[in-house]
Parts: sequence; structure tokens; C-alpha cells
Amino acid sequence: ETGVTQTPRHLVMGMTNKKSLKCEQHLGHNAMYWYKQSAKKPLELMFVYNFKEQTENNSVPSRFSPECPNSSHLFLHLHTLQPEDSALYLCASSQRSGRVTGELFFGEGSRLTVL
Amino acid sequence: AQRVTQPEKLLSVFKGAPVELKCNYSYSGSPELFWYVQYSRQRLQLLLRHISRESIKGFTADLNKGETSFHLKKPFAQEEDSAMYYCALLSGGYNKLIFGAGTRLAVHP
Repeated sequence: ETGVTQTPRHLVMGMTNKKSLKCEQHLGHNAMYWYKQSAKKPLELMFVYNFKEQTENNSVPSRFSPECPNSSHLFLHLHTLQPEDSALYLCASSQRSGRVTGELFFGEGSRLTVL
Repeated sequence: AQRVTQPEKLLSVFKGAPVELKCNYSYSGSPELFWYVQYSRQRLQLLLRHISRESIKGFTADLNKGETSFHLKKPFAQEEDSAMYYCALLSGGYNKLIFGAGTRLAVHP
């Protein structure tokens, strides 16, 4: 499969659960991103990884824990979330060598509902 | 502070009418701006970037540094243009984008 794939597409969890979101890209990119899209709010950048190294943590609460084992995979581990964390979580990837293009390739998102 | 503002949540027009989706930005350096689009049931994707000075699907956008704006325009809207449009500002030395809240364009027959 090509492009950026996110699983699961939908997730419902309780506040005491631990779950993970997975993102996989088959584009040969070496930068990956997590964005949060809440209703009526702009897309919020959460984390950025370049060549598996975290280069951005946009003041995200510690109940969100990212993991990037290689340039093709990105995880977002979730634990003790709050109902206000319910949102669409978007993964994206881009090339990160030399010229910055501003072009991100997005997945379809994981819709998270915290009860 | 770096910020992107899209003042309209919804823009509703009839087919064939001109369209202008507004975007204003706040950035201390030399900005690089983009428009992204999300059609129904599709993923968010790049529409155009200001440095390319290109026209994509009939859309153009001009960077106006004096007014700190990057409005998206199309002279004659089509029904297939109906989508969510996001303006984005490049921030930092890699592909870190700051997005606006988005404007939903609805083109009616």
C-alpha cells in the first residue's frame, strides 16, 4: 500500500485505558508528524520527528507519548486521557533532506473518542 | 507570534461565481505560505504554494506582504470545488506548518 496509513480509523476508550495509534508511510520520507484536529479549532501540531529523532514537542501533555522506531513508522501512545482529548489525530510525512517544500502528506486520521 | 487567520468559517456561492477565500498571517520573517484542501471523504492535501506562483484547478493565491494576506481566488467556481480549505504558514527550518482554522467552501448549482 502506498501513501500514509493510519490505524485504527476509529477508537473509543475510557479515561483509564491505554491504547496506541499507529501511522505508517510508504513514501520514503524521513520526517513524520502528529497533528490534532478538534472541532472548531485549527490543526494543532503535536510532535515532529526527523530521521527518528524528535525535533518538536509542542507543549503536549505527557499523557500523549510518541514513538518513532524508524523513519516509516510513528506511534502515539495514549494513557489516562481526558474527554477533551477526543479529536481526529492526523499523521503526516514529508521529505526532510535539503530543500524544505512545505508539502506534507497526510493520512486519513484516527478518530478518538474518550468517554 | 506566528499565526494564521481565516476569518470565514463558511463561504457559500453559486456555480460560476467568483470565489475569494481569505487568509491573513502573522510572521516576523519572510513568509512561505500554502493552501491545503480537503474534499469530502478524502485526506488533506496540498493545493498550491505561493513560491510556485502556479494556478491549480483554476485557483491562484498572491502573497501581499503589506497586508500580510494570502487570499485564494478563483474566477468561476465549480461544484467540485466544494471542500474545506486551509491556509498554512511554514515555520522553522523543516516542514513545520501552522494551519488556520479552515474555511468551508460550498458551491451550489
